[in-house]
Amino acid sequence: ILNVEQSPQSLHVQEGDSTNFTCSFPSSNFYALHWYRWETAKSPKALFVMTLNGDEKKKGRISATLNTKEGYSYLYIKGSQPEDSATYLCARTLGSNYQLIWGAGTKLIIKP
Amino acid sequence: DGGITQSPKYLFRKEGQNVTLSCEQNLNHDAMYWYRQDPGQGLRLIYYSQIVNDFQKGDIAEGYSVSREKKESFPLTVTSAQKNPTAFYLCASIPGTGNVYGYTFGSGTRLTVV
Repeated sequence: ILNVEQSPQSLHVQEGDSTNFTCSFPSSNFYALHWYRWETAKSPKALFVMTLNGDEKKKGRISATLNTKEGYSYLYIKGSQPEDSATYLCARTLGSNYQLIWGAGTKLIIKP
Repeated sequence: DGGITQSPKYLFRKEGQNVTLSCEQNLNHDAMYWYRQDPGQGLRLIYYSQIVNDFQKGDIAEGYSVSREKKESFPLTVTSAQKNPTAFYLCASIPGTGNVYGYTFGSGTRLTVV
């Protein structure tokens, strides 16, 4: 199974609260895991590309972890702000093939 | 500023008509991609190109065609053979192969059959 699964599909979070969501993928033939942020009416923007088991990456209030052995990655947002409202996409590559297999995304809505 | 430009933003196609979506990048990226997004689904790869004058079919290439005559340009033609073309189309690029680079995306074209 090649599918990338993201959960939850959508999420409402109060401003100031922290949140996290999940990207699950088959652990075999892993090469890289990507996270993107897609705001409405804009183009998706790369957040992180992770390749090693145990990788943790951080950009401001957003961080991500990677477990390639069990096939999951978490994206964390600390102290959510209205500008964090977006759809967060994850994608994996198969081996060294540069094609990405995409999840359907988690839509995050921050309530003021 | 460097980036990817997709045009038009909205496109309406009549039954039986071919339409071409433009994708131009000034990032000097080698590889370019076309994706299609349908509601509730992940992005699906239509075609990709790693170098000029070469391109490969993705998962859903039927009813589409592309060309890569210049490094900076990768237009997508939606032909009349594509039975369900209404969707959002995204173009993307990366500097090279190996896929440890994040993609740069255009802002998309929404195609509607009328």
